[in-house]
Amino acid sequence: QQQVKQSPQSLIVQKGGIPIINCAYENTAFDYFPWYQQFPGKGPALLIAIRPDVSEKKEGRFTISFNKSAKQFSLHIMDSQPGDSATYFCAASFQTGANNLFFGTGTRLTVIP
Amino acid sequence: NAGVTQTPKFQVLKTGQSMTLQCAQDMNHNSMYWYRQDPGMGLRLIYYSASEGTTDKGEVPNGYNVSRLNKREFSLRLESAAPSQTSVYFCASRAQGIMNTEAFFGQGTRLTVV
Repeated sequence: QQQVKQSPQSLIVQKGGIPIINCAYENTAFDYFPWYQQFPGKGPALLIAIRPDVSEKKEGRFTISFNKSAKQFSLHIMDSQPGDSATYFCAASFQTGANNLFFGTGTRLTVIP
Repeated sequence: NAGVTQTPKFQVLKTGQSMTLQCAQDMNHNSMYWYRQDPGMGLRLIYYSASEGTTDKGEVPNGYNVSRLNKREFSLRLESAAPSQTSVYFCASRAQGIMNTEAFFGQGTRLTVV
């Protein structure tokens, strides 16, 4: 079954808007939650990541909000730009073992100029 | 610094044919992974290798085999390709340790099985 559930599947916003992508997980042993960004024809690349001892992390226009009790985390993109149009994946990982990443199903974001 | 390199970038196979997807990383990472990406399904783990000489099944291993040739190289083999294996395949690598680290992905191999 899907270890990490992601919504929405697609999202269209105007330039300057604040798209929000949500993810939920079940396994409380996960302790690393990254977001990956993928452009067409390219491999995913790390955008930002958070650990469960922090409720929010901001890097530039990208912010992760983390709610440990609800087992949910979300990505907010401030002042979105057409260049942010891409597919975004949330993921979760354990600290031990091979550190496999379990990915959500992805959100295709389109930012309209 | 090339990162993760996958070959080939594109491939068309007939049902029943075999092929090997190659992956190499130059970052001295212990862990390497093979994922497949399908529309609406996200990235699903096929096989992984925590270190040289070890391999383990992921979520969707059926129809695939892997070889961790050395620390740099991790190949994925389709022995008898099926149309259900039409997908985009990504290889990734990651340093292993106490602190979780970034996974680096290759550019992908787009495989079509007809």
